[in-house]
Amino acid sequence: GEDVEQSLFLSVREGDSSVINCTYTDSSSTYLYWYKQEPGAGLQLLTYIFSNMDMKQDQRLTVLLNKKDKHLSLRIADTQTGDSAIYFCAESIGDDKIIFGKGTRLHILP
Amino acid sequence: DTEVTQTPKHLVMGMTNKKSLKCEQHMGHRAMYWYKQKAKKPPELMFVYSYEKLSINESVPSRFSPECPNSSLLNLHLHALQPEDSALYLCASSTTRGAGNTIYFGEGSWLTVV
Repeated sequence: GEDVEQSLFLSVREGDSSVINCTYTDSSSTYLYWYKQEPGAGLQLLTYIFSNMDMKQDQRLTVLLNKKDKHLSLRIADTQTGDSAIYFCAESIGDDKIIFGKGTRLHILP
Repeated sequence: DTEVTQTPKHLVMGMTNKKSLKCEQHMGHRAMYWYKQKAKKPPELMFVYSYEKLSINESVPSRFSPECPNSSLLNLHLHALQPEDSALYLCASSTTRGAGNTIYFGEGSWLTVV
């Protein structure tokens, strides 16, 4: 069945780059997403990438997609304390469903 | 304005109570969604409305009853819930159904069933 896997925790020093990795199973996914969830808050759409692209950059965020390996990554440059959150990787399934990974908790070290 | 507004932010209800969660968007989106998120888990899809008609029910128990009074509003009526239904309930919307349409989420309603 459909599944999205990501590591549960990542610790990064302030100012360094964070790289959050994700693998997915459905090769027919059209879109892949990164959502951010801060404590006690809803989900914020950070960025998404079409499956026919291999890279997308938006300010400090870079998304890399390796469709052959079904691997997606999110790089956050110059990580700040405000980046501390849970980051969910998600893939689109059909017209309506989004399948989320379990989320990666990003912890920023001073 | 890319805002999905949910009320109330927090709700505590007994197992015999009847309550409702409300969701509103003014982006002209014609698809609206309810998701449920348990602690330390990813969100799980419950319902999808498209053009004010229920298009997907992910085998949700009947104690959860969705309603879409108009294109801007989505309600979730709650009755005879169980403590295990305690969770964050997220509303979302998108332009229309379809994987190409990005889904915007609200801040969620924290529900505690006692």
